[in-house]
Amino acid sequence: QSVLTQPPSVSGAPGQRVTISCTGSSSNIGAGYDVHWYQQLPGTAPKLLIYGNSNRPSGVPDRFSGSKSGTSASLAITGLQAEDEADYYCQSYDSSLSGYYVFGTGTKVTVL
Amino acid sequence: QVQLQESGPGLVKPSETLSLTCAVSGYSISSGYYWGWIRQPPGKGLEWIGSIYHSGSTYYNPSLKSRVTISVDTSKNQFSLKLSSVTAADTAVYYCARPVAGTRGNWFDPWGQGTLVTVSS
Repeated sequence: QSVLTQPPSVSGAPGQRVTISCTGSSSNIGAGYDVHWYQQLPGTAPKLLIYGNSNRPSGVPDRFSGSKSGTSASLAITGLQAEDEADYYCQSYDSSLSGYYVFGTGTKVTVL
Repeated sequence: QVQLQESGPGLVKPSETLSLTCAVSGYSISSGYYWGWIRQPPGKGLEWIGSIYHSGSTYYNPSLKSRVTISVDTSKNQFSLKLSSVTAADTAVYYCARPVAGTRGNWFDPWGQGTLVTVSS
């Protein structure tokens, strides 16, 4: 039911930069609604990583950054670390009948 | 610091009703905020189920609306989820979380640890 599309997986060596895309449509991201990002470590609940497109909650390293343009958004991780290996989900608001809150399909980040 | 904790049966029979409760600590539900439920089938992505305001106003995912009821008990500082006529497709980890109001849409923070509910006879 996900209306936000993410790549299934991305990988990088320690220290590298990786980006995760989140593609939506004119009823969600393209309509101007904010995008938020969550990190889900194995066996744990999702944790807020980025809110309001590009804001980091207290305690989130500045290696994580978010951006938004048109109908898409991106999450960048610079200086990739082993502890960043996790699933990442984008989330936004959708004004169509598909529901108020929508999540991305999820991306598995693997640190090589 | 706001904390959420889900509780309820881990096994539900097909066609029956799934019932879960989320206990909130560190914040009084009656003071405000929306409160919500999200689920994640094993190995799959996240799906928003619905949200409730402290006053009792509710918003549900249209795909689940006919089977979902979310209620709030301010005296116990908790809110609950009921999902009727469950099938194996409803097997998932169920999370409670707090929607936080943003200028152009809400995000969820914090989340409970989640509870696995399996639908099986």
